[in-house]
Parts: sequence; structure tokens; C-alpha cells
Amino acid sequence: EAQVTQNPRYLITVTGKKLTVTCSQNMNHEYMSWYRQDPGLGLRQIYYSMNVEVTDKGDVPEGYKVSRKEKRNFPLILESPSPNQTSLYFCASSLVQTTGELFFGEGSRLTVL
Amino acid sequence: GQQLNQSPQSMFIQEGEDVSMNCTSSSIFNTWLWYKQDPGEGPVLLIALYKAGELTSNGRLTAQFGITRKDSFLNISASIPSDVGIYFCAGRGFGNEKLTFGTGTRLTIIP
Repeated sequence: EAQVTQNPRYLITVTGKKLTVTCSQNMNHEYMSWYRQDPGLGLRQIYYSMNVEVTDKGDVPEGYKVSRKEKRNFPLILESPSPNQTSLYFCASSLVQTTGELFFGEGSRLTVL
Repeated sequence: GQQLNQSPQSMFIQEGEDVSMNCTSSSIFNTWLWYKQDPGEGPVLLIALYKAGELTSNGRLTAQFGITRKDSFLNISASIPSDVGIYFCAGRGFGNEKLTFGTGTRLTIIP
């Protein structure tokens, strides 16, 4: 089954404790992206990757890091989480960036205390 | 950056009613897409539009790419309980491959 898998789905952590949200897709997609969803703000892009070893900042990259060492994986790293990073995070992928036709994961709800 | 205004922010309707929502942009787009997010799930693509004036249907859903390239519309006919969720528009401009999302329209069906 074609899918984008995120882990963990739910996480409660404390300020400053490094965490990684993993994302994996099994569709051989070139393009992958991370979004955060906050009430009233819709989906805002954090980082994206057009292919292996190619990553770039989205609209709200501060406080986040990413890597793309393999085509299928695109982890999101919070080196020192803060309460304002409490949010619902989505990983998405598409065959190529130009279509805009994204496949989303089920989301990871992160709470930073 | 580009901004998308999506309206209405929320809708409360009765089952069987038709629904209309729209999205407007401050700049022209060459692609419009509509996604739906069910409660507790990630967004799923409903309809993609690539040509100004294009009208595309997907079952009871119909979406249009505005002729000015600055807006798009989504209509749902004869709503049913499974239509509940958040609907997002998204657009991509010429020469700018970044996809911008609207803030969403939350649809609730009143029993």
C-alpha cells in the first residue's frame, strides 16, 4: 500500500530535550516536505527536499533541522524544542515538486511543556 | 510571500444541503488544488486544476480554476455526514514552485 509513515504519532516532551520525528514514504517520490498545522493558520511549510541531499527552508524553518540521506526518509529534528513548537506536524511527498499533488502522512501531534 | 484567503472559515449545514467555498490569492497561480482533512487524519487530495477556467468534478465535488488565475471555488452537492472535515485550497505560482495553503474551511453537518 502506497503510504507516508510518520513516527511517533503522539509525543509529549519537555523544553530542550532533543527529538526526531521520522518520515518514510514507499512510493519512490523525489519531493518530500514537512508542514505544521496550527489553529487559524492552516498548513505552513517548515522544510522541503527536492531530492536526496537537497533540502531547503520553507516558511517557518526556525528551530528545526532536516536531512535527506535516502530517498525514502526525511526526518524532522528539533534540537531544543520550545513550547511554541507545540503543534500538529505533517510529512508529505510527491513524485515531483511541480505538480503540487501531495501525499500526506497521518500526522504527529507534539506537545512541548 | 503569497497569501491565500479562504472563506468561509467554518460552515454549519444540514445533511443534503449544497456547499460552496472559495479561495483568493494576492497573485496569479498556475495550479490550484483542493484537499480534505478528515478528523485525526492527514489531508487528502480531492481535485487538481492546471488550466485557467477549468471545471473539474470528482463525484459530488466540483472545483473551478478562476479565469483571473487569482481564485478557485469548490462546491459540494447534496452533503452527507462523511463530508465533515477541513477543506484546504492550495496554489502554486508561475516560476515559483512553492505550494501555498489556505487556512482551511471547517465543515460541520448538523443532525
